Amino acid sequence: NAGVMQNPRHLVRRRGQEARLRCSPMKGHSHVYWYRQLPEEGLKFMVYLQKENIIDESGMPKERFSAEFPKEGPSILRIQQVVRGDSAAYFCASSLTSPGTGFTGELFFGEGSRLTVL
Amino acid sequence: GEDVEQSLFLSVREGDSSVINCTYTDSSSTYLYWYKQEPGAGLQLLTYIFSNMDMKQDQRLTVLLNKKDKHLSLRIADTQTGDSAIYFCAERTGGGNKLTFGTGTQLKVEL
Repeated sequence: NAGVMQNPRHLVRRRGQEARLRCSPMKGHSHVYWYRQLPEEGLKFMVYLQKENIIDESGMPKERFSAEFPKEGPSILRIQQVVRGDSAAYFCASSLTSPGTGFTGELFFGEGSRLTVL
Repeated sequence: GEDVEQSLFLSVREGDSSVINCTYTDSSSTYLYWYKQEPGAGLQLLTYIFSNMDMKQDQRLTVLLNKKDKHLSLRIADTQTGDSAIYFCAERTGGGNKLTFGTGTQLKVEL
């Protein structure tokens, strides 16, 4: 039973280019969360999605960042016109049940995508 | 507001107990969690505690919650070299759908 799969594991982009990070949740999971980890900082929540819906994007920067979770295929976090400050590890997590329905909070994390902006 | 704080580093000798501390600010937190991150890997849930509990024990792990002081701790008994990792505490508030994580504590176990 495959866990949360993220790719690419490492991505190098030059300033101004676009970065696309993909996340396939665990089998049977329909809830996806993206977090960003900056050096010596904790994980910062970015966005929570269900299939075809963005539920909570309160942690997403207002510009250049977008996320989607289509009916078919992986969730994608897209960063346009990357800047050096976007260099970080981006983690995707998925959960089986939704918050508010006996959800105990267990998120299953992928191994992360490490973005380096030159 | 949401803010979870941890000390950045802890060094212990193999066989000793490790205690990792965490403070949080949101009194409406319902669940609190400890996650472990090994180098180059994602986070794995170690344990969690519901806010109406004071203590939870799971094999070598003991979680203590002081709700009055908003303080959470993780004690690892008989710490082994394989326990070397970054440990994150996290809180879930109310009916919220996101976890707020601390900065993580890097645990180093020395022989």
